[in-house]
Amino acid sequence: GAGVSQSPRYKVAKRGQDVALRCDPISGHVSLFWYQQALGQGPEFLTYFQNEAQLDKSGLPSDRFFAERPEGSVSTLKIQRTQQEDSAVYLCASSFLPLDRAITEAFFGQGTRLTVV
Amino acid sequence: DAKTTQPNSMESNEEEPVHLPCNHSTISGTDYIHWYRQLPSQGPEYVIHGLTSNVNNRMASLAIAEDRKSSTLILHRATLRDAAVYYCILSPRGPYNNNDMRFGAGTRLTVKP
Repeated sequence: GAGVSQSPRYKVAKRGQDVALRCDPISGHVSLFWYQQALGQGPEFLTYFQNEAQLDKSGLPSDRFFAERPEGSVSTLKIQRTQQEDSAVYLCASSFLPLDRAITEAFFGQGTRLTVV
Repeated sequence: DAKTTQPNSMESNEEEPVHLPCNHSTISGTDYIHWYRQLPSQGPEYVIHGLTSNVNNRMASLAIAEDRKSSTLILHRATLRDAAVYYCILSPRGPYNNNDMRFGAGTRLTVKP
């Protein structure tokens, strides 16, 4: 497809379960972002990749959250031992150039809605 | 950290212009001003960005104050499809730093028919 694809669109997890959320960025895009969006709030930054390098993970809320992008394309956000407060929409975005090369727009996926019960 | 301040909500009538303000009094010389919007149940989408000069594209116009401490997103004729949350964010030019691509709470725009 032409856009950023995220899967699954919806995920229900029991508290304590591990989950993995997938992001397929636009082909050739260097930069990739993950965000967490709680109901009624703006997207909160989680982490940033430039190709396979994770340059910024300052927004990850705890060590239960882990993200990877091993080949510089598809990325996975993993949440271990999910808690109810992890319930949110997780958004992925990609952009063509790294942020230090040029100002370029970011393209967002539709997100994965995670509900922890 | 460079931060932005926006009103929580605004209303507009269909077919009328809308001016969405954003204050960014701590903006630095290398910060670009970006606007994104988020329609219901969608991810954010890019609207426009600028540095110092006013900018126009097919979606909107961006008016930047001379001192760059504020900007205004202008929708020339609001339609019902423009109802969304609008985010103003600052993105520094140059090597990546930990302030890039941070969103605030945004302005929820309601368009009345």
